[in-house]
Amino acid sequence: SQTIHQWPATLVQPVGSPLSLECTVEGTSNPNLYWYRQAAGRGLQLLFYSVGIGQISSEVPQNLSASRPQDRQFILSSKKLLLSDSGFYLCALRGSGVTEAFFGQGTRLTVV
Amino acid sequence: GDSVTQMEGPVTLSEEAFLTINCTYTATGYPSLFWYVQYPGEGLQLLLKATKADDKGSNKGFEATYRKETTSFHLEKGSVQVSDSAVYFCALSGNNNAGNMLTFGGGTRLMVKP
Repeated sequence: SQTIHQWPATLVQPVGSPLSLECTVEGTSNPNLYWYRQAAGRGLQLLFYSVGIGQISSEVPQNLSASRPQDRQFILSSKKLLLSDSGFYLCALRGSGVTEAFFGQGTRLTVV
Repeated sequence: GDSVTQMEGPVTLSEEAFLTINCTYTATGYPSLFWYVQYPGEGLQLLLKATKADDKGSNKGFEATYRKETTSFHLEKGSVQVSDSAVYFCALSGNNNAGNMLTFGGGTRLMVKP
C-alpha cells in the first residue's frame, strides 16, 4: 500500500532562517506529488506539484521552492522564512491510474 | 476552471443528530468526487469517493451521492458521534489539468457535543 512520510512533525523557526521539509513515499512508482499549505482555520492551498523527477510546477508565486531529486522524494524549501510562511504543510501523492490522493501527516511550521 | 463550494462552518450538533454538509462543484466533463476528513493535528484521510453519476460513496456511516443534474455531492450521516468532530473537505478530480491535482472546497468544521 502507498505510504507517505513527512518530517519533522512540528518546527519552530525564526524569521529569516532557511527551511527544508522532506516528503518520501513508498509503495508506488512515478507518482504525482503535491505540496499544500493550510493556514490556521483555512482551507488547502496548492503550492507545488511534480509529475516526475526534476519537474516542478508552481501554483502560487511566493517565498518557497520545491525540488524532486528522486522519484519518491519531494522537498519544500525556503532561503529566508517570513512570518506569513507559518502554517500546516501537507505532502500528497497520486499514483498512476488512481483517482484519489493520499496525504502525509503534515508538518506544523511556526515562524517566530 | 474547476471549483468546489461547501457550506461554511462550524457546524455544531448534539450526539446522535443527523448531519448534512452541502457540497456543489463546477467542472467540465465527468470528474470524480471525494470527501476527506481531517482530525485535529493530522493530515487528510479519504472518507469516501464516487467516480460517476448516481454512484453512492459510503464509509463509517457517512454517505454521499454523486448528483450530476445538481452538480452536488452532499455528505450525510444519520447519527453523529463525538468522535466525528473534525474538518471535512469536499474535493473533485477533473480531467483537464496537467498535474491531475485535486480541487478542494474550503472545509467545514464539525463539532459534536455529548
